[in-house]
Amino acid sequence: DSGVTQTPKHLITATGQRVTLRCSPRSGDLSVYWYQQSLDQGLQFLIQYYNGEERAKGNILERFSAQQFPDLHSELNLSSLELGDSALYFCASSPEARNPGTEAFFGQGTRLTVV
Amino acid sequence: AQSVTQLGSHVSVSEGALVLLRCNYSSSVPPYLFWYVQYPNQGLQLLLKYTTGATLVKGINGFEAEFKKSETSFHLTKPSAHMSDAAEYFCAVSDDFGNEKLTFGTGTRLTIIP
Repeated sequence: DSGVTQTPKHLITATGQRVTLRCSPRSGDLSVYWYQQSLDQGLQFLIQYYNGEERAKGNILERFSAQQFPDLHSELNLSSLELGDSALYFCASSPEARNPGTEAFFGQGTRLTVV
Repeated sequence: AQSVTQLGSHVSVSEGALVLLRCNYSSSVPPYLFWYVQYPNQGLQLLLKYTTGATLVKGINGFEAEFKKSETSFHLTKPSAHMSDAAEYFCAVSDDFGNEKLTFGTGTRLTIIP
């Protein structure tokens, strides 16, 4: 158990809909990362938050957004869903920022299926 | 931009045999390199990492990796494969200094033959 909690574990929704994925980082971790794992794109970094502020952005679509709340949990919002958004979405956390050698702890992921 | 290439999307070895999973990196700055393992229906777990210092890095579950700058490689090895090693393995590099986001390779699925 990494200490990172993601809910829900599975999500099935229709095209055009909007969903919210939730992540609770390890106790004390200030950085939260979101990654997408799909068969065609592999594991891709989406976005990072540190202590409530956006720190880095990857290949995140404009239809996707995220935020980190004062209690440090984070939510990833996916809207106008398309079939190609079906993937495993991982949240990871680490204790700090500005340390590229730091270990990230991954949650078990949310499997999103868009039908 | 940093990147990693994993050679071989599938590797099969017999139980008790040497495990060798290959990873080559491309980086304009000294890289920070990681190996993560993903068991079925699980998240990723860190096996080991190279930041600075000793180039031979030992990780969990008997795995180790050697950072070779001249070959831009960071191959993962284990002397004797165990059935429980069957999983997908990802090599990753973090961003240049100041950012911890990981760029992952495409992964290598390791199968252990009894």
